[in-house]
Amino acid sequence: QKEVEQDPGPLSVPEGAIVSLNCTYSNSAFQYFMWYRQYSRKGPELLMYTYSSGNKEDGRFTAQVDKSSKYISLFIRDSQPSDSATYLCAMSRTGRRALTFGSGTRLQVQP
Amino acid sequence: EAGVTQFPSHSVIEKGQTVTLRCDPISGHDNLYWYRRVMGKEIKFLLHFVKESKQDESGMPNNRFLAERTGGTYSTLKVQPAELEDSGVYFCASSQGGRGGNTEAFFGQGTRLTVV
Repeated sequence: QKEVEQDPGPLSVPEGAIVSLNCTYSNSAFQYFMWYRQYSRKGPELLMYTYSSGNKEDGRFTAQVDKSSKYISLFIRDSQPSDSATYLCAMSRTGRRALTFGSGTRLQVQP
Repeated sequence: EAGVTQFPSHSVIEKGQTVTLRCDPISGHDNLYWYRRVMGKEIKFLLHFVKESKQDESGMPNNRFLAERTGGTYSTLKVQPAELEDSGVYFCASSQGGRGGNTEAFFGQGTRLTVV
């Protein structure tokens, strides 16, 4: 069983929709949670970084962490065609900086 | 400010040959990481440098892989001899030093390695 599970998609939504992307994990030692966006043939770009539980908002993006359920989410409001990319969740535990990634969800925002 | 830079962007080599990948981290970042993504799989951790020292190399697949970070600046990852299953995209990332907790890691664009 993978430590981090992420639905690969693809997820197709119309422009302006609210997008919800999710990951579940099994290792309760994870404390740091990240969301990366990756365009084709590019490297992962850090979008959101959260420590422990709670919410964090940055513009159109909101990250949520529910450690009791071992579940993290990324919400994108007013989605744009430029948001079309693969979204990767990643996490790590205290004392070890190695990131454990989900497999990524491919998002397509239709104009 | 320049981001993480990787060379080459793409390499095609024959099985049994040697390939060396290079990574230049963001200036001032003590932490440097190597990851790779093989076809159809998630990105996986290979190893972590703090300055010139290997902090964690638990993800290195076997002794055909050798990573160095001379003087705590750029890093190289050598694969010798390369096998077909080494094909994939190799990412380098860097982050600032941080006491106790973790800090955000910034990735390069990756080197796409194809072993034929």
